[in-house]
Amino acid sequence: SQQGEEDPQALSIQEGENATMNCSYKTSINNLQWYRQNSGRGLVHLILIRSNEREKHSGRLRVTLDTSKKSSSLLITASRAADTASYFCATDVDDYKLSFGAGTTVTVRA
Amino acid sequence: ETGVTQSPTHLIKTRGQQVTLRCSSQSGHNTVSWYQQALGQGPQFIFQYYREEENGRGNFPPRFSGLQFPNYSSELNVNALELDDSALYLCASSQTGVTNEKLFFGSGTQLSVL
Repeated sequence: SQQGEEDPQALSIQEGENATMNCSYKTSINNLQWYRQNSGRGLVHLILIRSNEREKHSGRLRVTLDTSKKSSSLLITASRAADTASYFCATDVDDYKLSFGAGTTVTVRA
Repeated sequence: ETGVTQSPTHLIKTRGQQVTLRCSSQSGHNTVSWYQQALGQGPQFIFQYYREEENGRGNFPPRFSGLQFPNYSSELNVNALELDDSALYLCASSQTGVTNEKLFFGSGTQLSVL
């Protein structure tokens, strides 16, 4: 079973626009991570946010975490064609196991 | 590009056969985790190996087994293959295996069971 769920399942935007996707989870966490996957290849780590953090930035990425609502959001600003990918949130189920959601597929149109 | 390599990249097997997938971890990492990703789904945790010992297991039957070698490379073995085992198998390495650090994923092995 997957603890996290991303919303929406798919997103199509114009190059230069912002993309926002959300992740909801069920049990308390110590940290939450976001990963990107291009065309069924390996996942690439984007950002990790700890439960005592509310917001984190990395380049064009902004992640927020609301532990009271058990939700997180990933914002990609000024999107590029290269941002076309699937994005997954992952939460720590225990000390060693990450639980991934089903992902949001983002398509950036030129 | 991570330093995690997986082989083979693609594999076709028939139901009932056995398969071995291989993973070389990134230099300096002593932990390897294996994930199964079905089409259109997120990765599902199979198990993790830390310093050659199984450190945790997900909800997978015993026919899924693994090994980690002294150089920290790892193998995933699946016996008695079933059609539902068709998936992308991903390995990920990390320094200590705890979930407060990021994982470095390989490009995966696409397994098709006919």
